[in-house]
Amino acid sequence: GEDVEQSLFLSVREGDSSVINCTYTDSSSTYLYWYKQEPGAGLQLLTYIFSNMDMKQDQRLTVLLNKKDKHLSLRIADTQTGDSAIYFCAERTLSSNTGKLIFGQGTTLQVKP
Amino acid sequence: DAGVTQSPTHLIKTRGQQVTLRCSPKSGHDTVSWYQQALGQGPQFIFQYYEEEERQRGNFPDRFSGHQFPNYSSELNVNALLLGDSALYLCASSPLRPGGATDTQYFGPGTRLTVL
Repeated sequence: GEDVEQSLFLSVREGDSSVINCTYTDSSSTYLYWYKQEPGAGLQLLTYIFSNMDMKQDQRLTVLLNKKDKHLSLRIADTQTGDSAIYFCAERTLSSNTGKLIFGQGTTLQVKP
Repeated sequence: DAGVTQSPTHLIKTRGQQVTLRCSPKSGHDTVSWYQQALGQGPQFIFQYYEEEERQRGNFPDRFSGHQFPNYSSELNVNALLLGDSALYLCASSPLRPGGATDTQYFGPGTRLTVL
């Protein structure tokens, strides 16, 4: 089946690293995405990783993929107050030529000054 | 380069009414997907349109229908509105790769629908 799960809330201090975790069930996932949603706004694509990769780094963002455990994480280095938002993990499965995305319920990141 | 745009921003309707939401894709994108995001939840896939036809549909009733125009813009129609249809409706656009697979989706700001 298709299911994506995330922890609901994470609180960190400004300047610390944040790690947001996600687990998925469909082993045929091809791409895994991280989107950011600020209050009252749409989804902003942050980064994505192809399933044959273990890690991807993009400036302050590091994505780690453990395909055996079906676990994905997003690390934000030097977290800033502007990073406060809801972060969604999403998977796209091999069976979906349309690129249908299955989203987790989102992790609210609170950054304290 | 304009991103994905949606209109209206907010909408208030009453139960039983019908609503039409609109989406213009990012320049160069020919595929439009619609998602429903209930409060506190992740987005749920409604359907996707390409070449003016529905390619795939999620687990939504027939009250939800859509259309894509020759200029790739799209409409989402919901008939016989229920209280449970209150949500943020997100449109996403993407290009189609050679071979038919959809590329990465970029989202618009959404339309907030409230059903009273």
